[in-house]
Amino acid sequence: SVLTQPPSASGTPGQKVTISCSGGPSNIGSNTVTWYQQLPGTAPKLLIYNNSQRPSGVPDRFSGSKSGTSASLAIGGLHSEDEADYYCASWDDSLNGPVVFGGGTKLTVL
Amino acid sequence: QVQLVESGGGVVQPGRSLRLSCSTSGFTFNNYGMHWVRQTPDKGLEWVALVWYDGSIKYYADSVKGRFTISRDNSNSTVYLQMNSLRVDDTAVYYCARDPVPREVRWYFDYWGQGTPVTVSS
Repeated sequence: SVLTQPPSASGTPGQKVTISCSGGPSNIGSNTVTWYQQLPGTAPKLLIYNNSQRPSGVPDRFSGSKSGTSASLAIGGLHSEDEADYYCASWDDSLNGPVVFGGGTKLTVL
Repeated sequence: QVQLVESGGGVVQPGRSLRLSCSTSGFTFNNYGMHWVRQTPDKGLEWVALVWYDGSIKYYADSVKGRFTISRDNSNSTVYLQMNSLRVDDTAVYYCARDPVPREVRWYFDYWGQGTPVTVSS
């Protein structure tokens, strides 16, 4: 994948977990980042757009940030129902584009 | 509420064709760009194609350009993906997804269908 995410992450209920997404100048470095949550057996769902904005209905314990060519998704106060795959995405100005995704991070709530 | 429902997936031999449909409801379809995105366990999520809200502009991933055609019928609130010359590496779950802003394209997806599986195998 053009964007690099750790394959797995874990935490206990109530903990804060951060998932990273690393890209380059042609994608994250010059464009906004989107995050999707995919619960087991379901379609991806929009979680964060424009780096840090939450669609209505997404709890405020989900937050996104971007710095340079990297982005992060933070989940504060983990719930068991947060166990899912999380994907970052961004527009890419190069031949990789137009939209590139990370490989996904499987979050386990212990 | 916004709903997107894909259909048309199945098992097909390499070189053959398949047409996917995505029937939508709950929003003013002819105001929104629509995408197809596919997912495999190995390659993850891959954007496939976009059709502008009025059908006037279409974009394709290099991996499908010249083989796949996206189209829409605004009178029936449906978007299609015609897939020709299918290859084994086109095997994936195919999702249709909505671009979020009316009459613009933002290149992210605020609503997704449930997906339809396509298997290309001899």
